[in-house]
Amino acid sequence: LAKTTQPISMDSYEGQEVNITCSHNNIATNDYITWYQQFPSQGPRFIIQGYKTKVTNEVASLFIPADRKSSTLSLPRVSLSDTAVYYCLVGYTGNQFYFGTGTSLTVIP
Amino acid sequence: DAGVIQSPRHEVTEMGQEVTLRCKPISGHNSLFWYRQTMMRGLELLIYFNNNVPIDDSGMPEDRFSAKMPNASFSTLKIQPSEPRDSAVYFCASSLLVRRETDTQYFGPGTRLTVL
Repeated sequence: LAKTTQPISMDSYEGQEVNITCSHNNIATNDYITWYQQFPSQGPRFIIQGYKTKVTNEVASLFIPADRKSSTLSLPRVSLSDTAVYYCLVGYTGNQFYFGTGTSLTVIP
Repeated sequence: DAGVIQSPRHEVTEMGQEVTLRCKPISGHNSLFWYRQTMMRGLELLIYFNNNVPIDDSGMPEDRFSAKMPNASFSTLKIQPSEPRDSAVYFCASSLLVRRETDTQYFGPGTRLTVL
């Protein structure tokens, strides 16, 4: 059963917009897409969740195309404090809690 | 609320010793999860409970690992005997089980286990 696929790492300069894409080809009709953020020496924390189209909160935006086979987390104007690992989760039946290795984002001054 | 509480925060032990990790979920949450994180394998689900009942323990690596949740406010993860390859950060998380597809997990600070 296919799981989520994300880039292993990304670098960005401060002030730029960062987009992290997650592939989830086998997403089911009832599945939501959830992103978590993990800072060093801390547990992951929820940042955003969506089902389709676009969701925005005070931290990030989540873009989901009509076929829902992928999603993109967008972080506007990143700062050094956004350096973290970002995980994409999709609620596959029986495999709802697959975090994997995530995407390690490094923000450069 | 104090959030999810884990103890100890750091544990160093010798191979063959028993290790017990403890977790107190957020009050009112009725799902509890144990995860293990390593550089090589990332964050892996070991076991989770709904209303104190183990639902899926397929992630428990072997019989040396066991988990219990005697009541809604306490859970333990035990490793007996411990081995060096068990060295990792162990996280406990809890959630309010309303709708599984949208439940948000709240993680504790983790226990860093080192087995010598």
